[in-house]
Amino acid sequence: QLQLQESGPGLVKPSETLSLTCFVSGGSISNEIHYWSWIRQSPGTGLEWIGSIYYSGNAYYNPSLKHRVTISVDTSKKHFSLRMSSLTAADTAVYYCAREMGTVEGLYFMDVWGKGATVTVSS
Amino acid sequence: DIQMTQSPSSLSASVGDRVTITCRASQSISNFLNWYQQKPGKAPKLLIYAASSLQSGVPSRFSGSGSGTDFTLTISSLQPEDCATYYCQQSYSSPSITFGQGTRLEIK
Repeated sequence: QLQLQESGPGLVKPSETLSLTCFVSGGSISNEIHYWSWIRQSPGTGLEWIGSIYYSGNAYYNPSLKHRVTISVDTSKKHFSLRMSSLTAADTAVYYCAREMGTVEGLYFMDVWGKGATVTVSS
Repeated sequence: DIQMTQSPSSLSASVGDRVTITCRASQSISNFLNWYQQKPGKAPKLLIYAASSLQSGVPSRFSGSGSGTDFTLTISSLQPEDCATYYCQQSYSSPSITFGQGTRLEIK
């Protein structure tokens, strides 16, 4: 069955750029109707959608983060990645990758999640 | 942006109780509404999609209803393992999605 695994540094300095990768196993990353997404959760708070990417490379971003975020996909290596620049302490969070499954009826829901990567922004 | 508002923010109930959590969208989203359960230190888990469809493997005591702007997640008979935070999420504007702020459910 499909599994997702986040990989990246646990500690990043303020003003630097965060790079996270989500590895996809047990299934295809090139499905035509699924999106691959990044979601984060700051300590003690709710879930915030960061952005999503289609296997073709079309990416969509949260307007509040768009100026700092780039999501890319490498179908040959079966992974997708997040880059977030100009980090501050407010970016300290658990970062999740997830599959946003699509159906022929046009429904979308996040049915597979990674375990999450804890990222702390501190000098 | 479509805003999602959940109520209550937290609640406490006893084992066996019927529990209801509501979610309201800032505009009509038809049935493009999903519910997730999150336990401490774990990733969210999909419970309900398309407002009322039970995800495979989820106990039948969970159910969802609603359409348009008002939605409900119901646990028919609360179990100890249901202690968690529950989130609604709209997929009407997918892939640009938004979550509710969460409802923390405690067991008395």
